[in-house]
Formats: sequence, C-alpha cells, structure tokens
Amino acid sequence: AQSVAQPEDQVNVAEGNPLTVKCTYSVSGNPYLFWYVQYPNRGLQFLLKYITGDNLVKGSYGFEAEFNKSQTSFHLKKPSALVSDSALYFCAVRDITSGNTPLVFGKGTRLSVIA
Amino acid sequence: GAVVSQHPSRVICKSGTSVKIECRSLDFQATTMFWYRQFPKQSLMLMATSNEGSKATYEQGVEKDKFLINHASLTLSTLTVTSAHPEDSSFYICSARPGQGRHEKLFFGSGTQLSVL
Repeated sequence: AQSVAQPEDQVNVAEGNPLTVKCTYSVSGNPYLFWYVQYPNRGLQFLLKYITGDNLVKGSYGFEAEFNKSQTSFHLKKPSALVSDSALYFCAVRDITSGNTPLVFGKGTRLSVIA
Repeated sequence: GAVVSQHPSRVICKSGTSVKIECRSLDFQATTMFWYRQFPKQSLMLMATSNEGSKATYEQGVEKDKFLINHASLTLSTLTVTSAHPEDSSFYICSARPGQGRHEKLFFGSGTQLSVL
C-alpha cells in the first residue's frame, strides 16, 4: 500500500528566508508525486508534480521540489519565503503500477511565514 | 484551467436529516471523481471513488449506506450524507481528473463544511 509522511505539523520561517517542507513516501512500484496547497477557506490548489525526468521539479509561485529515490523523499522548497506563502501544504503520492488510483495524501504541514 | 465546482460550501443541518453535496466538473468530463473527508488539523481521508455509470468504490471503514454516492453523468457526482449525526460534521472535498492518464493532476472543489447539530 502507498503512504505519505509529513513529519512536521508546523513549519515557521522568517520572510525572505528559504523554506523546506518535508515529505517522504512509500510505494511498491514507481511513484507519481504531487504537492498541493490549501489556503484558508479555499480548496486545494496544485503546486507541482514529479512524474519522470529531472529530479528537480519547478512549480507555481516559485516553489520547487526534489525527488530523491534513494531517500524516498520529495521535499518542497522555496529560496525566499513570502508572508503570502502561509498555508497548509499537502504532499501526495500515487503508485503508477496500478490503474486509475486516487492520490494518497500526507497529513499536511502548516507553514507560517513571519514578517 | 480545469474547474471543479462544489456546492454548497457550508451547510448546517439537524441530526437525522440528509444532506446532498454536489460536485461538478465545469469544463471537462470526469469519468472518475473522488470524495475526501478532512478532519480538523488532519489530512484528507479518501472516502470513495466515484465512477460514472457504475457503483462507487468505498474505502475500508466508510459506510456506503450512510454516504451515498451517485455519478450519473460525466460532469456530476453527488455525495449524500444520510441520517446525519454530529460525528459526521466535517469538511468534505471532491476532486476530479480531466483525463485517464495516471499522471493527470487532480482538481479539487472548494469543499463543503458540514455541521450537524
């Protein structure tokens, strides 16, 4: 069975500093990996995904994530945080060995960027 | 981009009543839609996979008779919480995928906050 772990419930970072939101996954086959963001009172929004190819994936709003197969990780990063980045971030995985499978989400990490 | 509309955004109901939540894909056809439930400060829990024209597939522990899912068309799936109780109070989110490809990203509705009194 596939699973996702986001070890941090909360991440605090000062505005302008780099940020990292951690994610590790477990699948039996090869993974498709995703990051979604949930702003207050709004639905989930897609940030970026890894399917194949370059391990460094660039997404919306200046975010990027690096796929590390040996460490089974897909950490979300941004070089310089903005206060507007404060939100709830979800990592998700889909095992591509199966058919039309849904995403399995991590528990989420709340990011607070302090001015 | 693809848009998923979910309605209502918020509903308050009395215990014992039923509540229907609609999920529509506005500019694409979705043969499969997913229903998630989100508890406060917790992750999204997949409840069921809704397939157009066939019965939904429920995750373990989800009561199919309580959470009725209907996917009558390629653009509409509904979740009905029957005989709602306070423990059913939660945030429900639907999602849909435009294509059949495994890497297609999901698009989410804005969610429905259900409060059962």
